[in-house]
Amino acid sequence: GAVVSQHPSRVICKSGTSVKIECRSLDFQATTMFWYRQFPKQSLMLMATSNEGSKATYEQGVEKDKFLINHASLTLSTLTVTSAHPEDSSFYICSAPFSYNEQFFGPGTRLTVL
Amino acid sequence: GQQVMQIPQYQHVQEGEDFTTYCNSSTTLSNIQWYKQRPGGHPVFLIQLVKSGEVKKQKRLTFQFGEAKKNSSLHITATQTTDVGTYFCAVGIIFGKGTRLHILP
Repeated sequence: GAVVSQHPSRVICKSGTSVKIECRSLDFQATTMFWYRQFPKQSLMLMATSNEGSKATYEQGVEKDKFLINHASLTLSTLTVTSAHPEDSSFYICSAPFSYNEQFFGPGTRLTVL
Repeated sequence: GQQVMQIPQYQHVQEGEDFTTYCNSSTTLSNIQWYKQRPGGHPVFLIQLVKSGEVKKQKRLTFQFGEAKKNSSLHITATQTTDVGTYFCAVGIIFGKGTRLHILP
């Protein structure tokens, strides 16, 4: 099946630093990718839709200046958590639609902000 | 946007017992998807249901879509330890809260 990679898998950083997370579709092109956030034992909360060649679409309540999204190519989307704080600690997962309504998820990035 | 309510939130079953999770919507759905997330892992697509009253099977898993296309269920027969995880229903990119399945040996 289709593969989506995500890097890094785990990151620990100091408060105030910025963290970039990459999401790649390895064997298919994705004009759209999605970024989710998942707190422990909770569901996936859609943060934003990343669109190749245009601005990302953010869900209500998600700060676009805080979570910068860039869809640089048909296989790469990046999420940058700017000036990270402890409350930003979470599991960030990207996904790409392979076919109608079938999402392939990356393995996720666990962010810990000290 | 469309939302789905998923119940139960948690389910503990003895190995070999059956398990069912339900998703309900107040509006008619065009389709619904089911995903499984193992502990520490990421969601994996299981199936999509599109037709009213549709029933699909994957080995011990049975997926149903209600006649009114407002509810769906996932039933696992004779659970095994490999079934441990959280099962999510989803409507496109919006996920239900999930049902966490724990198997007691």
